Amino acid sequence: AQSVTQLDSHVSVSEGTPVLLRCNYSSSYSPSLFWYVQHPNKGLQLLLKYTSAATLVKGINGFEAEFKKSETSFHLTKPSAHMSDAAEYFCVVRGNTNAGKSTFGDGTTLTVKP
Amino acid sequence: DAGVIQSPRHEVTEMGQEVTLRCKPISGHNSLFWYRQTMMRGLELLIYFNNNVPIDDSGMPEDRFSAKMPNASFSTLKIQPSEPRDSAVYFCASSSAGGGSYEQYFGPGTRLTVT
Repeated sequence: AQSVTQLDSHVSVSEGTPVLLRCNYSSSYSPSLFWYVQHPNKGLQLLLKYTSAATLVKGINGFEAEFKKSETSFHLTKPSAHMSDAAEYFCVVRGNTNAGKSTFGDGTTLTVKP
Repeated sequence: DAGVIQSPRHEVTEMGQEVTLRCKPISGHNSLFWYRQTMMRGLELLIYFNNNVPIDDSGMPEDRFSAKMPNASFSTLKIQPSEPRDSAVYFCASSSAGGGSYEQYFGPGTRLTVT
């Protein structure tokens, strides 16, 4: 069994300040973890992924996430928010079996204020 | 690569009509997923296929919904008869088990409106 919890449904930051989007997961298997971003009226785009290699993962657009097994967390961060980062973000967990399915979090809406 | 292709991009239909949504996955991908997204329920997995075989259809809301994958390059999601509560954006995604990464690539979605 697996699950993912995004701890904040909405996060608001000012442009130029750090972004932190929190995600906790549970999985019976050694998981793969992903963050996706969805801009308004668009499909989901992969930001970054963790697949049992380096625990600090760098993604596109300056985002990164750290896999912490002891805390079962995979929080998404960015040092300085840009207006274009305003979107919905999804944390995803997947067990590492060929037939495994992915479980999506409920999403976090990021608002960036000028 | 063209990415995941979905058609139509928008569909407006009347209640009771049959609706067919189409998806072409990325070439070489062996898993295909259908999702539905609404404001009320968020993103829901409806069904997914591995190697053209349905693996989990527990998310399909009711018998009015059916999905097929006749070959590795094409899948359909059919709603018959359609109802206003089926109005949503339907996403198709595909992934590959190669390298054990499993990330999904999403299509642009089909926005369905049932009046």
